[in-house]
Amino acid sequence: DIQMTQSPSSLSASVGDRVTITCRASQSISSYLNWYQQKPGKAPKLLIYAASSLQSGVPSRFSGSGSGTDFTLTISSLQPEDFATYYCQQSYSTFITFGQGTRLEIK
Amino acid sequence: QLQLQESGPGLVKPSETLSLTCTVSGGSISSSSYYWGWIRQPPGKGLEWIGSIYYSGSTYYNPSLKSRVTISVDTSKNQFSLKLSSVTAADTAVYYCARTVTVSDAFDIWGQGTMVTVSS
Repeated sequence: DIQMTQSPSSLSASVGDRVTITCRASQSISSYLNWYQQKPGKAPKLLIYAASSLQSGVPSRFSGSGSGTDFTLTISSLQPEDFATYYCQQSYSTFITFGQGTRLEIK
Repeated sequence: QLQLQESGPGLVKPSETLSLTCTVSGGSISSSSYYWGWIRQPPGKGLEWIGSIYYSGSTYYNPSLKSRVTISVDTSKNQFSLKLSSVTAADTAVYYCARTVTVSDAFDIWGQGTMVTVSS
């Protein structure tokens, strides 16, 4: 199976900060990488698909980049509603796997 | 607007079979543009993909669960279902159903999730 490793596991930041979350795959997955946001008690929400494509309705302050094994999710200017847990997910293999999550907290 | 809703028992005894159904409303389950999946999340932990199914009935399962999982689809009812046999406390989790976009293999629409506890 393809292991997905996110860093950091948790992060404290302030409103207005620029934040970057990294996801590394254990083997090349081309651009088959998706990002989700999950708030407590809610289902995950798709933010970015195919590494860098913004899902419809998602604010443009979210962006994704990368290919191969290394990927990043960037939030250009944190808003209060962005404090949540973020997951990456690879869809290169028919055995779909998620990263362990990155918890973004208010500083 | 397409919506997904999970349903099924919230409490299952150890060694028994967990059965959940996902009802799709506001759209058809029989589209080649999408396929359908189950994902679970143990309390306080991350997301685990269980398996996926196309409307044709083709399935893909997580190898670690494959021996215990069956996912099926009923196009006449616009539903797909999950059965997980021989459950233990480790199967306690929130279970989500989700739509997957074929071209991106991303889960773009999720159900609200249903908590299933395995306990005697």
